[in-house]
Amino acid sequence: EDQVTQSPEALRLQEGESSSLNCSYTVSGLRGLFWYRQDPGKGPEFLFTLYSAGEEKEKERLKATLTKKESFLHITAPKPEDSATYLCAVQAYTGGFKTIFGAGTRLFVKA
Amino acid sequence: DVKVTQSSRYLVKRTGEKVFLECVQDMDHENMFWYRQDPGLGLRLIYFSYDVKMKEKGDIPEGYSVSREKKERFSLILESASTNQTSMYLCASRTGVATEAFFGQGTRLTVV
Repeated sequence: EDQVTQSPEALRLQEGESSSLNCSYTVSGLRGLFWYRQDPGKGPEFLFTLYSAGEEKEKERLKATLTKKESFLHITAPKPEDSATYLCAVQAYTGGFKTIFGAGTRLFVKA
Repeated sequence: DVKVTQSSRYLVKRTGEKVFLECVQDMDHENMFWYRQDPGLGLRLIYFSYDVKMKEKGDIPEGYSVSREKKERFSLILESASTNQTSMYLCASRTGVATEAFFGQGTRLTVV
């Protein structure tokens, strides 16, 4: 069964304390892996797309990496404004295209 | 700036009412989607559309219907609202298959 699992469910960091969020997936026919940021009460906002193992993308304090089984979102020296829920989504082809979302990781960064 | 606009941020409806949620995108995207988001369950696909007047069921279509009469507009209809449809509803659009989705701001629907 196609599945996307994000861990941890919640992560509390001090400002400046770097860490990583994990997105593991079991799908066949991966077509792309997407990371989104979602602020409370708002819709998700696109961050990165990764298409193949070994690929990396960076934006400010965020860096996304992809292997054949998982993706990491690395946060370097986070600030309070990085507090949000981070969603991972996998698009797969199994007789038709399907996008599967993980449940998200809630990140809290304290000043 | 690309934009997906949902007609309401907050709605309170009574059980049994017919509810319309409207979504408009200004990016000329072919693909549009309706999701609901509940704590711990992530985003679940209700319906999607790849073209005008075309619709496909997602993972949880029961109790919902959709309408797409124009390319830019995708409506979600709750035929007879029930309390278990209380949720955050998100509309999204994208241009192609393996491309990122753009989301609206969400509609928080409460059915009492």
